[in-house]
Amino acid sequence: EPEVTQTPSHQVTQMGQEVILRCVPISNHLYFYWYRQILGQKVEFLVSFYNNEISEKSEIFDDQFSVERPDGSNFTLKIRSTKLEDSAMYFCASSERTVEQYFGPGTRLTVT
Amino acid sequence: AQRVTQPEKLLSVFKGAPVELKCNYSYSGSPELFWYVQYSRQRLQLLLRHISRESIKGFTADLNKGETSFHLKKPFAQEEDSAMYYCALLTGGGNKLTFGTGTQLKVEL
Repeated sequence: EPEVTQTPSHQVTQMGQEVILRCVPISNHLYFYWYRQILGQKVEFLVSFYNNEISEKSEIFDDQFSVERPDGSNFTLKIRSTKLEDSAMYFCASSERTVEQYFGPGTRLTVT
Repeated sequence: AQRVTQPEKLLSVFKGAPVELKCNYSYSGSPELFWYVQYSRQRLQLLLRHISRESIKGFTADLNKGETSFHLKKPFAQEEDSAMYYCALLTGGGNKLTFGTGTQLKVEL
């Protein structure tokens, strides 16, 4: 069964550095999403992406964040200048239509 | 603004006992609700969708618009049901899932 994959599984970075989190959505899916989960808190929506455009974004998704689909398979989340509070588990998801979202295993981002 | 509430952080039951994981929502539009499950060290997996009205792994959930609830139930808990369960509400024209804080279900022998 096809699955969403994410790399790396764990990323450690220093405050102020740029990070790029990578996702490979399920191949026939057209809608892509990023969520994050700070330790001990709930899963929070960051952004949705369709047809090479952001469809919706949360207030968390400020100018420090950007998303891109650089080729036909990858979907990336970039954090320009990381802060300590960006430390979280980041989940990518994809869906064929705007209903059932399938999640990747997550990337644990640790900002020191 | 939309909100999903799962009042229990931890629910502990014995094997064979009935299970009910509570979920309440607040949303002005027509709700579309899901249950996701996360087994230890695994990804979030879709368990149930209210529209499909199906039973998966013995779990069912009924949308009650009057009580704004979407509780997850199973008549007889199994050890393999131990996991984290998240209730989620789809909004934003289908672009955004709003999650509850999750309930850790522990099934004891």
